[in-house]
Amino acid sequence: DAGVTQSPTHLIKTRGQQVTLRCSPKSGHDTVSWYQQALGQGPQFIFQYYEEEERQRGNFPDRFSGHQFPNYSSELNVNALLLGDSALYLCASSRGLAGVQETQYFGPGTRLLVL
Amino acid sequence: LAKTTQPISMDSYEGQEVNITCSHNNIATNDYITWYQQFPSQGPRFIIQGYKTKVTNEVASLFIPADRKSSTLSLPRVSLSDTAVYYCLVGDPGGGNKLTFGTGTQLKVEL
Repeated sequence: DAGVTQSPTHLIKTRGQQVTLRCSPKSGHDTVSWYQQALGQGPQFIFQYYEEEERQRGNFPDRFSGHQFPNYSSELNVNALLLGDSALYLCASSRGLAGVQETQYFGPGTRLLVL
Repeated sequence: LAKTTQPISMDSYEGQEVNITCSHNNIATNDYITWYQQFPSQGPRFIIQGYKTKVTNEVASLFIPADRKSSTLSLPRVSLSDTAVYYCLVGDPGGGNKLTFGTGTQLKVEL
């Protein structure tokens, strides 16, 4: 049973460019959440997708957008990249919108470096 | 969501028991307490979750006093591979799946 997978593992972009990160949830999971983790910090919630809709959003600008597909996989898009967007981007999957008592499974992350 | 406070770092030796305490003075009635472990350049991994008293699984134990204003993650007989960052999270089940992480506790285990 495959866990959460993310691609690519590493990415280098320059300021102003756009990037798309991908995530496939754990089998049986239908909810995907995205987190940004800067070096030395805990992960920060970006947004969550369920039934192909954005259900919750953290304190991130509109440059961060996402999508969920019918097969529950998801994409995170970041436009007009800034140096401060350099971070580890994590995808987490879970079942439904049950809340924190429903264990979330994290992928290995995508390391984004913006030059 | 209730704010959590935990030590920035802890050091231990192989074979010892490690206890990491988390303070959450403003925990709400419906909040659960969850601990995650994270190794460098990997996603966090769920360790244990509880609501009150004591919870034990194959990896750790979680102790929660009656007032629930703090909790203690107990790792029995740690090894070098337990060196990681440990996060304490408190959340309302009705708040959806959003997890709010702090800066965590960096545990370093030495020989």
